Amino acid sequence: SQTIHQWPATLVQPVGSPLSLECTVEGTSNPNLYWYRQAAGRGLQLLFYSVGIGQISSEVPQNLSASRPQDRQFILSSKKLLLSDSGFYLCAWKVEITEAFFGQGTRLTVV
Amino acid sequence: AQKVTQAQTEISVVEKEDVTLDCVYETRDTTYYLFWYKQPPSGELVFLIRRNSFDEQNEISGRYSWNFQKSTSSFNFTITASQVVDSAVYFCALSERFYNQGGKLIFGQGTELSVKP
Repeated sequence: SQTIHQWPATLVQPVGSPLSLECTVEGTSNPNLYWYRQAAGRGLQLLFYSVGIGQISSEVPQNLSASRPQDRQFILSSKKLLLSDSGFYLCAWKVEITEAFFGQGTRLTVV
Repeated sequence: AQKVTQAQTEISVVEKEDVTLDCVYETRDTTYYLFWYKQPPSGELVFLIRRNSFDEQNEISGRYSWNFQKSTSSFNFTITASQVVDSAVYFCALSERFYNQGGKLIFGQGTELSVKP
């Protein structure tokens, strides 16, 4: 069966520090991968998506970047965190017309 | 462009009441998919249902039912005889064809449902 792993679950980082969040998927090949952010206002905002290795599409300009070094690995990064980067980050995968499956999320607090 | 609107920010009901969560969507594609997800306090997103644009048949699953109407671009969700465990944030989402922009899901702002005993 397919599973998605996302870590860490919680993270507290100082302003200006780097960030790396990792997401891996098991049990499926060539999935589409997605990073979402949920700010305090509750809505889910799509940050990046990837349809293949090395292929990244950015949905909104921001302080973050994404990479997909392997088929089932999706990484969200920042060189210098801002206070506004705080939020709940969710990774998801999808194949064909199925629903998207989400990871457990990472709650990031930038202090 | 894709857009999903959930006009109800918060709903509060008493246990055993029926409640309907509204969802209105916009898309230019003729093939698209609609979803409902539940987000309990733990934060994970739990998939509830997927509907494609060619299937307007309503669906019932236990106390949950969904009403899809293309004429009004709506995909509403009804919980019958609500229970405290139904308290959560509910999201409606839309995706276009899988090979169109990665089949990305666009979410509404969510409706926070509070069911009081």
